[in-house]
Amino acid sequence: AQKVTQAQTEISVVEKEDVTLDCVYETRDTTYYLFWYKQPPSGELVFLIRRNSFDEQNEISGRYSWNFQKSTSSFNFTITASQVVDSAVYFCALSEEFNYGQNFVFGPGTRLSVLP
Amino acid sequence: EPEVTQTPSHQVTQMGQEVILRCVPISNHLYFYWYRQILGQKVEFLVSFYNNEISEKSEIFDDQFSVERPDGSNFTLKIRSTKLEDSAMYFCASSEARTDYTFGSGTRLTVV
Repeated sequence: AQKVTQAQTEISVVEKEDVTLDCVYETRDTTYYLFWYKQPPSGELVFLIRRNSFDEQNEISGRYSWNFQKSTSSFNFTITASQVVDSAVYFCALSEEFNYGQNFVFGPGTRLSVLP
Repeated sequence: EPEVTQTPSHQVTQMGQEVILRCVPISNHLYFYWYRQILGQKVEFLVSFYNNEISEKSEIFDDQFSVERPDGSNFTLKIRSTKLEDSAMYFCASSEARTDYTFGSGTRLTVV
């Protein structure tokens, strides 16, 4: 069965600090996708990144970077020089190609508070 | 950038009333989904829909729930007789393949 764990329930940092959000996943499929979503207080899910299981290259987008390591089944998310606007709940999610039905599973989320 | 549109953004309904949540998926997408997020909790799968029928549903999706694609563009979730515990954010999603999800911005349902 697929599973996504985000061990950090809540994190507080002071503005301009770097912060890493952890995500560990379980899957039996060899083809799968990993996602990060941001959920601000307004409630919508904001897509941040999708990664497929065959692409382990790390990715950087502005202040955001992602570290995908299949050896440890982790897909961690780092925000560099955090800002107050980064305060939100962040969800990691897993999608398997051949698991029909509940093929998109969210982790429990990490609430990030960036203090001025 | 194509998007999934959900209406209304917020709906308040009285317990026992029927409610219909509406979604317009991306036009060339073939798979449609509803997810639910109770306040402060994680996002949970409700149902997936493909080729005009339900392909999978979770244990949450009981007889009070139904989905429909009435006109080839809309995708609706109906709750027949709402309960207080149905209060949640409901997200619609669509995908072209089974992995390429796009989520709508959600409908916040409040049952009073």
